[in-house]
Amino acid sequence: QQKVQQSPESLSVPEGGMASLNCTSSDRNFQYFWWYRQHSGEGPKALMSIFSDGDKKEGRFTAHLNKASLHVSLHIRDSQPSDSALYFCAASSNNYAQGLTFGLGTRVSVFP
Amino acid sequence: DAGVTQTPRHEVAEKGQTIILKCEPVSGHNDLFWYRQTKIQGLELLSYFRSKSLMEDGGAFKDRFKAEMLNSSFSTLKIQPTEPKDSAVYLCASSFGTNNYAEQFFGPGTRLTVL
Repeated sequence: QQKVQQSPESLSVPEGGMASLNCTSSDRNFQYFWWYRQHSGEGPKALMSIFSDGDKKEGRFTAHLNKASLHVSLHIRDSQPSDSALYFCAASSNNYAQGLTFGLGTRVSVFP
Repeated sequence: DAGVTQTPRHEVAEKGQTIILKCEPVSGHNDLFWYRQTKIQGLELLSYFRSKSLMEDGGAFKDRFKAEMLNSSFSTLKIQPTEPKDSAVYLCASSFGTNNYAEQFFGPGTRLTVL
């Protein structure tokens, strides 16, 4: 079973609309969360991190973390065609030997 | 500043061959990761080095996969012998810091096809 689960698997959003992505962890040791984005033919690139409960906003992107339920979400407002990509949630614990554990990703398609 | 460099970008191998993938991390980074990416399994960690010391050797991948850090600016991933199920994108990433939740910078990946 994946320790980091993402939903939905894919999402279609109209240009200018809001995209909402979800991520849940089954490992209570995970304390630190990242969102990464991968465009076709490229490696993933970090979008933002969130380590504390609550919201964190960076431009059009807002992440929300609830440590009690181990749930993280990412909201993209005013979606642009360039936001079409594969989005990964990644988590890590305090065990420095483990690195990041990634979810399977959510494919976002922004249509005109 | 140069990002993570991976070569080759594409590799085609016959079953049973030995292939070596190369990675140059971001200058000054002390952590280096090798991942395998497939649609079914997503990103799977193969190896993780911190300051050239192996921290994680990928468990299930130990048999035929071997990653090495020859120096702080160069790493290789050897697959020997290759099997068709190894067809995937192999990603290298690096990061800087004393914890394990620092931002990872990824290379563009090597797409491996094993016939």
